[in-house]
This record gives sequence, C-alpha cells and structure tokens, in this order.
Amino acid sequence: DAEITQSPRHKITETGRQVTLACHQTWNHNNMFWYRQDLGHGLRLIHYSYGVQDTNKGEVSDGYSVSRSNTEDLPLTLESAASSQTSVYFCASSDRSSGTGLDYNEQFFGPGTRLTVL
Amino acid sequence: GESVGLHLPTLSVQEGDNSIINCAYSNSASDYFIWYKQESGKGPQFIIDIRSNMDKRQGQRVTVLLNKTVKHLSLQIAATQPGDSAVYFCAENGSDDYKLSFGAGTTVTVRA
Repeated sequence: DAEITQSPRHKITETGRQVTLACHQTWNHNNMFWYRQDLGHGLRLIHYSYGVQDTNKGEVSDGYSVSRSNTEDLPLTLESAASSQTSVYFCASSDRSSGTGLDYNEQFFGPGTRLTVL
Repeated sequence: GESVGLHLPTLSVQEGDNSIINCAYSNSASDYFIWYKQESGKGPQFIIDIRSNMDKRQGQRVTVLLNKTVKHLSLQIAATQPGDSAVYFCAENGSDDYKLSFGAGTTVTVRA
C-alpha cells in the first residue's frame, strides 16, 4: 500500500547542530508539505513543494530549508537548531490525481517526528 | 489577519451522545474546507470535506455543515464512541493553490 513515512520518529539534538528530518511518500504525489505542531498553535506550515525542484516558504520558514530532488522525498533541514524549534514535525502530501475527498485535495500525513533541541 | 479557528479548545461528551465541534473562519475567499482527526501520537487523518457551494455533507456517522453567511463550519459526530476521542482540526483552502490553513484544534474526550 502507498504510504508516507518520516524518520527519525524521535530526535534529541543540541543547540547549533544541523538536523535533517526525512519524509518519503510512495503515492507519487506532486505536492509535499512540512508543518510543525505546538500546543495552542495547531499545525503551521514551514515549507512546501509542488514538484521536483520547486520549493516555497510557508508562514514559519525562518531557520528551516527544504530541497526536492525527486518526487518521493522532501527532507527538512534545520541549519542551526534552536530551542524554539523543539516541536513535533509532520510531513504531508497531496495530489488531485488521488484521494477520497471531493476535490482530491486532502493532504495525507506522516506519523510525525518529535524533535527536542537542548 | 485571516485565519481559521475553533470556538472551544475542549469538549467532553457522554458515550452515545452526539458531538458538535465548531470552527470559525475569516477568509471569505476560502472555497474548500476539511476536517481532520488526530489521535494521540499520530498524524492527522482526513474525515470529511465540503466545498463552498454546499451547505451540508454527510459521511459515516459524521456531518459537516457550512454557513457562509457567518463564516462558520461545524462537524457533527453521531453516537459518539470512545474511539472518537481525539483532537479535531478544521482546515481551509483557497482556490489558487494546494495549501491548507489549520485551526488550533478541539480536544474531544468521550466519557464512558
């Protein structure tokens, strides 16, 4: 079955270190998204991509970067981790060629990565 | 700024009763809305969606109502079960891209 996976599921790092969170989907979706989830804020968009070599900033992109070299993967990099980036990170994908909703625009989410920056 | 939000952060409901979760949005250009359910330790899962040219849509035990006049969205869960305990998010999408904007979420707890 097609799926979306994230790794690692848990990560503890130190302030100033570079961290990369992996996201891999096997639906062949064009659209991929990264969110962070914090108490009281719901899901906030960090970066997104609508295809290979396409990347865009979301509402909370400072301190994060992404690259899209193939359809399946959108890794998220924290260039220099800060304590404020302690959060749960979710990757999602969508494509109007698949889905069960009205417009096939619903996003499918991965299981999340819990990141702690000490 | 424009945003999507939920009226209440928590909702406690007796097993077997109906649940109503509310969401207010302010972007009048939004034309597509989604409800997600997130169980503890998991990613959000799609429940049901609705377009702006609809007032109501029903799924299995769930109904979404859209009132464009007051920019209000609600999710009704019939005969709430313990497995319905989760955080519920509404999200909206404009017509010009694939991004979703999420509300803060409502935590539903089902009492036995």
